Amino acid sequence: GESVGLHLPTLSVQEGDNSIINCAYSNSASDYFIWYKQESGKGPQFIIDIRSNMDKRQGQRVTVLLNKTVKHLSLQIAATQPGDSAVYFCAERTETGGFKTIFGAGTRLFVKA
Amino acid sequence: NAGVTQTPKFQVLKTGQSMTLQCAQDMNHEYMSWYRQDPGMGLRLIHYSVGAGITDQGEVPNGYNVSRSTTEDFPLRLLSAAPSQTSVYFCASSYDRGRTGELFFGEGSRLTVL
Repeated sequence: GESVGLHLPTLSVQEGDNSIINCAYSNSASDYFIWYKQESGKGPQFIIDIRSNMDKRQGQRVTVLLNKTVKHLSLQIAATQPGDSAVYFCAERTETGGFKTIFGAGTRLFVKA
Repeated sequence: NAGVTQTPKFQVLKTGQSMTLQCAQDMNHEYMSWYRQDPGMGLRLIHYSVGAGITDQGEVPNGYNVSRSTTEDFPLRLLSAAPSQTSVYFCASSYDRGRTGELFFGEGSRLTVL
Protein backbone atom coordinates (compact mmCIF):
# COMPACT_ATOMS: atom_id res chain seq x y z
CA GLY A 1 0.00 0.00 0.00
CA GLU A 2 0.97 3.67 -0.06
CA SER A 3 3.48 4.98 2.44
CA VAL A 4 0.98 6.49 4.84
CA GLY A 5 2.30 7.52 8.18
CA LEU A 6 6.06 7.37 7.55
CA HIS A 7 6.71 10.62 9.39
CA LEU A 8 3.90 10.51 11.91
CA PRO A 9 4.34 10.22 15.68
CA THR A 10 4.51 6.61 16.73
CA LEU A 11 3.11 4.79 19.73
CA SER A 12 4.37 1.30 20.43
CA VAL A 13 2.47 -0.91 22.89
CA GLN A 14 2.56 -4.52 24.00
CA GLU A 15 -0.30 -6.76 22.97
CA GLY A 16 -2.87 -6.83 25.73
CA ASP A 17 -1.93 -3.44 27.15
CA ASN A 18 -4.16 -0.38 26.91
CA SER A 19 -3.32 2.32 24.35
CA ILE A 20 -3.97 6.03 24.65
CA ILE A 21 -3.75 8.22 21.56
CA ASN A 22 -3.98 11.97 22.04
CA CYS A 23 -5.04 14.82 19.81
CA ALA A 24 -5.22 18.59 20.17
CA TYR A 25 -7.97 20.31 18.21
CA SER A 26 -8.30 23.93 17.20
CA ASN A 27 -11.94 24.86 16.57
CA SER A 28 -14.06 25.45 19.66
CA ALA A 29 -17.17 25.60 17.44
CA SER A 30 -16.84 22.01 16.19
CA ASP A 31 -19.95 19.91 16.74
CA TYR A 32 -18.45 16.44 16.52
CA PHE A 33 -15.04 15.01 17.27
CA ILE A 34 -14.23 11.78 15.53
CA TRP A 35 -11.56 9.10 15.49
CA TYR A 36 -10.63 7.22 12.35
CA LYS A 37 -8.37 4.21 11.78
CA GLN A 38 -6.42 3.85 8.55
CA GLU A 39 -4.71 0.63 7.57
CA SER A 40 -2.09 0.55 4.86
CA GLY A 41 -3.59 0.86 1.38
CA LYS A 42 -7.09 1.60 2.61
CA GLY A 43 -9.32 4.54 3.25
CA PRO A 44 -9.94 5.80 6.79
CA GLN A 45 -12.50 3.83 8.78
CA PHE A 46 -14.76 5.37 11.42
CA ILE A 47 -14.12 4.20 14.97
CA ILE A 48 -16.14 6.40 17.28
CA ASP A 49 -17.37 9.96 17.59
CA ILE A 50 -18.44 12.26 20.38
CA ARG A 51 -20.67 15.28 20.29
CA SER A 52 -19.30 18.54 21.61
CA ASN A 53 -21.75 18.54 24.55
CA MET A 54 -20.35 15.27 25.92
CA ASP A 55 -17.19 14.46 27.87
CA LYS A 56 -16.93 10.72 27.37
CA ARG A 57 -18.28 8.05 25.11
CA GLN A 58 -17.59 4.34 25.13
CA GLY A 59 -17.70 1.81 22.37
CA GLN A 60 -16.49 -1.72 21.99
CA ARG A 61 -12.96 -1.71 23.50
CA VAL A 62 -12.65 2.02 22.77
CA THR A 63 -13.34 5.13 24.81
CA VAL A 64 -13.14 8.71 23.62
CA LEU A 65 -12.59 11.53 26.08
CA LEU A 66 -13.18 15.19 25.27
CA ASN A 67 -11.70 18.01 27.33
CA LYS A 68 -13.04 21.26 25.92
CA THR A 69 -11.19 23.37 28.46
CA VAL A 70 -7.82 22.51 26.95
CA LYS A 71 -9.12 21.46 23.51
CA HIS A 72 -7.91 17.90 23.92
CA LEU A 73 -9.28 14.64 22.58
CA SER A 74 -8.08 11.16 23.41
CA LEU A 75 -8.79 7.64 22.21
CA GLN A 76 -8.30 4.77 24.62
CA ILE A 77 -8.09 1.25 23.25
CA ALA A 78 -8.45 -1.53 25.81
CA ALA A 79 -6.54 -4.80 25.50
CA THR A 80 -4.75 -3.73 22.34
CA GLN A 81 -4.51 -6.41 19.66
CA PRO A 82 -2.17 -6.82 16.65
CA GLY A 83 -5.12 -5.94 14.41
CA ASP A 84 -5.20 -2.51 16.02
CA SER A 85 -1.89 -1.61 14.36
CA ALA A 86 -2.68 1.29 12.03
CA VAL A 87 -2.56 5.05 11.74
CA TYR A 88 -5.18 6.84 13.85
CA PHE A 89 -6.54 10.26 12.96
CA CYS A 90 -8.65 12.63 14.97
CA ALA A 91 -11.06 14.88 13.10
CA GLU A 92 -13.49 17.64 13.91
CA ARG A 93 -16.74 18.36 12.13
CA THR A 94 -18.63 21.64 12.06
CA GLU A 95 -22.26 21.50 10.98
CA THR A 96 -22.79 25.23 10.61
CA GLY A 97 -21.18 26.62 7.50
CA GLY A 98 -21.26 23.40 5.56
CA PHE A 99 -20.47 20.23 7.52
CA LYS A 100 -16.75 20.41 6.97
CA THR A 101 -14.66 17.66 8.52
CA ILE A 102 -11.06 18.66 9.13
CA PHE A 103 -8.47 16.05 10.01
CA GLY A 104 -5.67 16.45 12.50
CA ALA A 105 -2.25 14.90 12.47
CA GLY A 106 -2.22 11.13 12.80
CA THR A 107 -0.50 8.75 15.17
CA ARG A 108 0.93 5.43 14.10
CA LEU A 109 0.18 2.61 16.53
CA PHE A 110 2.45 -0.42 16.60
CA VAL A 111 1.30 -3.42 18.61
CA LYS A 112 4.07 -5.78 19.65
CA ALA A 113 3.13 -9.43 19.99
CA ASN B 1 -24.39 -2.27 -1.03
CA ALA B 2 -21.40 -0.66 -2.78
CA GLY B 3 -20.97 2.36 -0.45
CA VAL B 4 -18.54 4.92 -1.91
CA THR B 5 -16.96 3.95 -5.24
CA GLN B 6 -13.95 5.75 -6.70
CA THR B 7 -12.49 5.36 -10.18
CA PRO B 8 -9.82 5.02 -11.37
CA LYS B 9 -7.78 3.40 -8.59
CA PHE B 10 -4.50 4.32 -10.27
CA GLN B 11 -3.63 7.00 -12.83
CA VAL B 12 -0.43 8.42 -14.27
CA LEU B 13 -0.57 11.84 -15.94
CA LYS B 14 1.93 14.12 -17.61
CA THR B 15 2.25 17.71 -16.45
CA GLY B 16 -0.45 19.83 -18.06
CA GLN B 17 -2.88 17.01 -18.77
CA SER B 18 -6.41 17.09 -17.42
CA MET B 19 -8.48 14.33 -15.91
CA THR B 20 -11.50 13.62 -13.75
CA LEU B 21 -11.62 11.41 -10.68
CA GLN B 22 -15.04 9.88 -10.30
CA CYS B 23 -16.89 9.33 -7.03
CA ALA B 24 -20.30 7.77 -6.58
CA GLN B 25 -22.24 6.78 -3.46
CA ASP B 26 -25.42 4.73 -3.16
CA MET B 27 -26.35 5.63 0.41
CA ASN B 28 -28.38 8.76 -0.43
CA HIS B 29 -25.95 10.90 1.53
CA GLU B 30 -26.36 14.64 1.23
CA TYR B 31 -22.76 15.46 2.10
CA MET B 32 -19.80 14.52 -0.12
CA SER B 33 -16.19 15.61 -0.02
CA TRP B 34 -12.75 15.11 -1.55
CA TYR B 35 -9.49 14.80 0.40
CA ARG B 36 -5.91 14.37 -0.63
CA GLN B 37 -3.35 12.49 1.39
CA ASP B 38 0.37 12.89 0.82
CA PRO B 39 2.92 10.41 2.24
CA GLY B 40 3.40 10.92 5.95
CA MET B 41 0.60 13.45 6.10
CA GLY B 42 -2.97 13.59 7.21
CA LEU B 43 -5.98 14.20 5.00
CA ARG B 44 -6.55 17.67 3.64
CA LEU B 45 -9.98 18.78 2.46
CA ILE B 46 -10.10 19.91 -1.18
CA HIS B 47 -13.80 20.57 -1.89
CA TYR B 48 -17.09 19.53 -0.37
CA SER B 49 -20.80 19.59 -1.13
CA VAL B 50 -23.84 19.65 1.13
CA GLY B 51 -26.25 18.66 -1.64
CA ALA B 52 -26.92 18.66 -5.36
CA GLY B 53 -26.02 22.00 -6.91
CA ILE B 54 -24.03 23.20 -3.88
CA THR B 55 -20.24 23.05 -3.58
CA ASP B 56 -17.67 24.88 -1.49
CA GLN B 57 -13.92 25.08 -1.06
CA GLY B 58 -11.97 23.24 1.57
CA GLU B 59 -8.41 23.73 2.81
CA VAL B 60 -6.54 23.14 -0.48
CA PRO B 61 -8.89 23.90 -3.42
CA ASN B 62 -6.43 25.43 -5.90
CA GLY B 63 -5.99 23.42 -9.10
CA TYR B 64 -9.21 21.43 -8.61
CA ASN B 65 -12.82 21.86 -9.71
CA VAL B 66 -15.93 20.01 -8.60
CA SER B 67 -19.60 19.87 -9.48
CA ARG B 68 -22.61 18.14 -7.92
CA SER B 69 -25.35 17.63 -10.46
CA THR B 70 -26.85 14.62 -8.66
CA THR B 71 -26.97 13.38 -5.07
CA GLU B 72 -24.98 10.28 -6.03
CA ASP B 73 -22.01 11.71 -7.94
CA PHE B 74 -19.24 14.14 -7.02
CA PRO B 75 -16.44 14.22 -9.64
CA LEU B 76 -13.12 15.97 -9.01
CA ARG B 77 -11.47 17.62 -12.02
CA LEU B 78 -7.81 18.47 -12.45
CA LEU B 79 -7.66 21.04 -15.24
CA SER B 80 -3.87 21.14 -15.72
CA ALA B 81 -2.06 18.55 -13.65
CA ALA B 82 1.13 19.49 -11.80
CA PRO B 83 3.67 17.25 -10.02
CA SER B 84 2.54 18.80 -6.72
CA GLN B 85 -0.82 17.09 -7.25
CA THR B 86 0.76 13.65 -6.98
CA SER B 87 -1.15 12.16 -4.08
CA VAL B 88 -3.77 9.67 -2.98
CA TYR B 89 -7.27 11.10 -3.31
CA PHE B 90 -10.16 9.99 -1.14
CA CYS B 91 -13.83 10.68 -1.65
CA ALA B 92 -16.11 10.57 1.39
CA SER B 93 -19.81 10.98 2.09
CA SER B 94 -22.03 11.26 5.13
CA TYR B 95 -25.55 11.82 6.40
CA ASP B 96 -26.89 15.25 7.11
CA ARG B 97 -26.71 17.05 10.40
CA GLY B 98 -27.68 15.63 13.72
CA ARG B 99 -27.19 11.94 13.16
CA THR B 100 -23.49 11.21 13.36
CA GLY B 101 -20.08 12.61 12.63
CA GLU B 102 -19.12 9.57 10.55
CA LEU B 103 -17.67 9.89 7.07
CA PHE B 104 -17.78 6.89 4.73
CA PHE B 105 -14.67 6.71 2.57
CA GLY B 106 -13.89 5.20 -0.80
CA GLU B 107 -10.78 3.10 -1.33
CA GLY B 108 -8.79 5.95 -2.82
CA SER B 109 -7.38 6.95 -6.19
CA ARG B 110 -3.58 7.07 -6.46
CA LEU B 111 -2.49 9.79 -8.89
CA THR B 112 1.06 10.32 -10.15
CA VAL B 113 1.90 13.41 -12.19
CA LEU B 114 5.20 13.23 -14.08
